[in-house]
Amino acid sequence: EIVLTQSPATLSLSPGERATLSCRASQSIGGYLVWYQQKPGQAPRLLVYDASKRATGIPARFSGSGSGTDFTLTISSLEPEDFAVYHCQQRSNWPLTFGGGTRVEIK
Amino acid sequence: QVQLVQSGAEVKKPGASVKVSCKVSGYSLTELSMHWVRQAPGKGLEWMGGFDPEDGETIYAQKFPGRITMTEDKSTDTTYMELNSLRSDDTAVYYCAAGPVTSWGFFDYWGQGTLVTVSS
Repeated sequence: EIVLTQSPATLSLSPGERATLSCRASQSIGGYLVWYQQKPGQAPRLLVYDASKRATGIPARFSGSGSGTDFTLTISSLEPEDFAVYHCQQRSNWPLTFGGGTRVEIK
Repeated sequence: QVQLVQSGAEVKKPGASVKVSCKVSGYSLTELSMHWVRQAPGKGLEWMGGFDPEDGETIYAQKFPGRITMTEDKSTDTTYMELNSLRSDDTAVYYCAAGPVTSWGFFDYWGQGTLVTVSS
């Protein structure tokens, strides 16, 4: 099973700042990395798939990068609605696995 | 517009079974790869199983040996997840999640979640 490790666990930032979230895989997953956003009491929302492809309707301030074992989700300038938990997920191998999540909170 | 609508919250005793439904609208089940993901209180997401369109088989996470069954009723575009021999650590919100069969393994669409509480 591929283990995904997200860091940091919590990121404290102010609106307008840049957020950089990391996801590291225990073995190479090529480009098969997915990012979701989840707000309290809501289901996750697809942001980015295959490392860098934005899902439909996702603002351009969200961008994904990386390949192999190291991946990054960048939010270029945080909007108030971006404070949430972010999950990464790999779709390279069965079983599908998720990281532990990064909480982006208001500083 | 694809919508996934799940059945309501459940309270079960340890050892019991639960069956959660997920009705799809806006797409046919045959066009989607359906999966189930759960989230224990305050925890991360955990994939439980789903449809592999390359093999045409349902794949389950090894964490649930013999305890989980996923079925579909194509006549009503409804998918089901049944979990047996419930334990207290099965208490979680259970989500159905789906993506087109042509781009399997990630989830464009999610149900609203079903809280399953296991308590004596």
